[in-house]
Amino acid sequence: NAGVMQNPRHLVRRRGQEARLRCSPMKGHSHVYWYRQLPEEGLKFMVYLQKENIIDESGMPKERFSAEFPKEGPSILRIQQVVRGDSAAYFCATGQGAFMGNTEAFFGQGTRLTVV
Amino acid sequence: AQTVTQSQPEMSVQEAETVTLSCTYDTSESNYYLFWYKQPPSRQMILVIRQEAYKQQNATENRFSVNFQKAAKSFSLKISDSQLGDTAMYFCAFWNAGNMLTFGGGTRLMVKP
Repeated sequence: NAGVMQNPRHLVRRRGQEARLRCSPMKGHSHVYWYRQLPEEGLKFMVYLQKENIIDESGMPKERFSAEFPKEGPSILRIQQVVRGDSAAYFCATGQGAFMGNTEAFFGQGTRLTVV
Repeated sequence: AQTVTQSQPEMSVQEAETVTLSCTYDTSESNYYLFWYKQPPSRQMILVIRQEAYKQQNATENRFSVNFQKAAKSFSLKISDSQLGDTAMYFCAFWNAGNMLTFGGGTRLMVKP
């Protein structure tokens, strides 16, 4: 059973371009959480999705950021018109259900986005 | 809102010795979970140990144990018999009845041979 897969592992974009980050959950997982890790900081929650639904996007910037988790295929985090401040590692964590304290969130290895 | 604070940006320990990483948090909730995650250079987030606030007994996982002081809102991680493979960033995290984990800023641990 493959783990949570994120790709690409590294992504370089010029300012103003679009970045698309993909997260393929473990088999049987229909809940996805996206987190952002700025350099030398902890992970910050961005958005929580269930198949075809955004459950909580309270941590996601209102402008330029969007996320989806279609019925088929991976979850996508899209950043339009990237700026240098978007440079960070982006992680997804997935689960069979909503994360509860006594369940485990399975993290991917992250995508490191560098904006030049 | 919950906050998690790790006051030690970096620590080092000699191989085979014991080290304690500190974490404090702030919440008005009575039941919640606390976690320590390890992030090695590969960036993979690995769950080390978890503690439920209602349980008075401190959690233990092999060489890893916690000192949970609920009244003081303190949750420290003790690593015994440190190994080179323990070198990593360590994050303390908090969860309660919400949708997301709240992470501290991390402590970089270096185990020296």
